[in-house]
Amino acid sequence: NAGVTQTPKFQVLKTGQSMTLQCAQDMNHNSMYWYRQDPGMGLRLIYYSASEGTTDKGEVPNGYNVSRLNKREFSLRLESAAPSQTSVYFCASSEAGGRNEQFFGPGTRLTVL
Amino acid sequence: AQSVTQPDIHITVSEGASLELRCNYSYGATPYLFWYVQSPGQGLQLLLKYFSGDTLVQGIKGFEAEFKRSQSSFNLRKPSVHWSDAAEYFCEKGSSNTGKLIFGQGTTLQVKP
Repeated sequence: NAGVTQTPKFQVLKTGQSMTLQCAQDMNHNSMYWYRQDPGMGLRLIYYSASEGTTDKGEVPNGYNVSRLNKREFSLRLESAAPSQTSVYFCASSEAGGRNEQFFGPGTRLTVL
Repeated sequence: AQSVTQPDIHITVSEGASLELRCNYSYGATPYLFWYVQSPGQGLQLLLKYFSGDTLVQGIKGFEAEFKRSQSSFNLRKPSVHWSDAAEYFCEKGSSNTGKLIFGQGTTLQVKP
């Protein structure tokens, strides 16, 4: 039982490059989330998927896209990376929506040069 | 829009002293409230949660929190702080309507010997 896994752990991109952050959970959770963490800003919600087949914008969705591939997997794509997207990205899952605690992945540290 | 505010960005307490971390939330007749802790370089771990019922909830590591509807607050407390409690603490609010979970900005706790 791995919980929530994220790949890669570290990534360096040049401005304008694209990449996809992968997230998978093995807890049969319905809801999945992507956050970014920046010093002094806490964790800000980028996108979330309340259930398989649905996705919704969070607080800071600009510059990102997501795909809920199936119940287990939720990917985050940066189409054209910008230095402002340098951050630590966390994926999380919960059993059902806003009522349940979240389980977090280990994070991806992304640097955009 | 719903929001979560942690008024104290940084708190320093002496080891053995009591601790209270503040959290205020907006919007939501029946909020789902959580406290998480993040040690340096680590992911987030759930300390405790409140859904309904007794307004004083007990969590792991000797932490407790009290829900006060009249003040829209969910403050975290610990009677005697240990050096290992030094970390960043996040308050989070969930919505059963939207499935969204929103974090406060976080409070960094430093413990003096």
